[in-house]
Amino acid sequence: DAGVTQSPTHLIKTRGQQVTLRCSPKSGHDTVSWYQQALGQGPQFIFQYYEEEERQRGNFPDRFSGHQFPNYSSELNVNALLLGDSALYLCASSLLAGDQFFGPGTRLTVL
Amino acid sequence: AQSVAQPEDQVNVAEGNPLTVKCTYSVSGNPYLFWYVQYPNRGLQFLLKYITGDNLVKGSYGFEAEFNKSQTSFHLKKPSALVSDSALYFCAVSPTSGTYKYIFGTGTRLKVLA
Repeated sequence: DAGVTQSPTHLIKTRGQQVTLRCSPKSGHDTVSWYQQALGQGPQFIFQYYEEEERQRGNFPDRFSGHQFPNYSSELNVNALLLGDSALYLCASSLLAGDQFFGPGTRLTVL
Repeated sequence: AQSVAQPEDQVNVAEGNPLTVKCTYSVSGNPYLFWYVQYPNRGLQFLLKYITGDNLVKGSYGFEAEFNKSQTSFHLKKPSALVSDSALYFCAVSPTSGTYKYIFGTGTRLKVLA
């Protein structure tokens, strides 16, 4: 049984560009949460998707958006990239009220 | 504001000695409490959680955590440290039922010396 998978592993973009990160949840899970982990910091909650809708959102600007597909997989989109968006982006899957299981992350570097 | 504090950036311990990694939180109500471990270039791995009940929670790889409501603390412990325990440890809280986001501390790097 595959756990949470994320793609790509690494990504390099330049300021102003747009990026899409992908997450496939653990089998049986229906909820996906996204976190940003800046260097030397703990993960910060971006948003959570359930039933293809954004249910909760952290303190992130509208440049950060997402989507959940009928198969429960999810995308995180970031527009107008800033240098400060460089981070490890973690996806976590769960049942709605269950424990969150994290993927390996996508390392985004903005130059 | 809701927050989680891990007061030590790094903890050094000799192999075979007991270890403690500290965590305190400032969250109203009765939060769920978690510990995760992160190895280099990896995601977060779940170690243990506290929801209710016994204040001593046992988890993966011989780790346990002690919940203290009056001190709002949730310290991670292990009786005998291994070199392979060296990693970055994060404490997290889920504030209340119905809000499923996790609030993380800034992490504590554990270094176990052979």
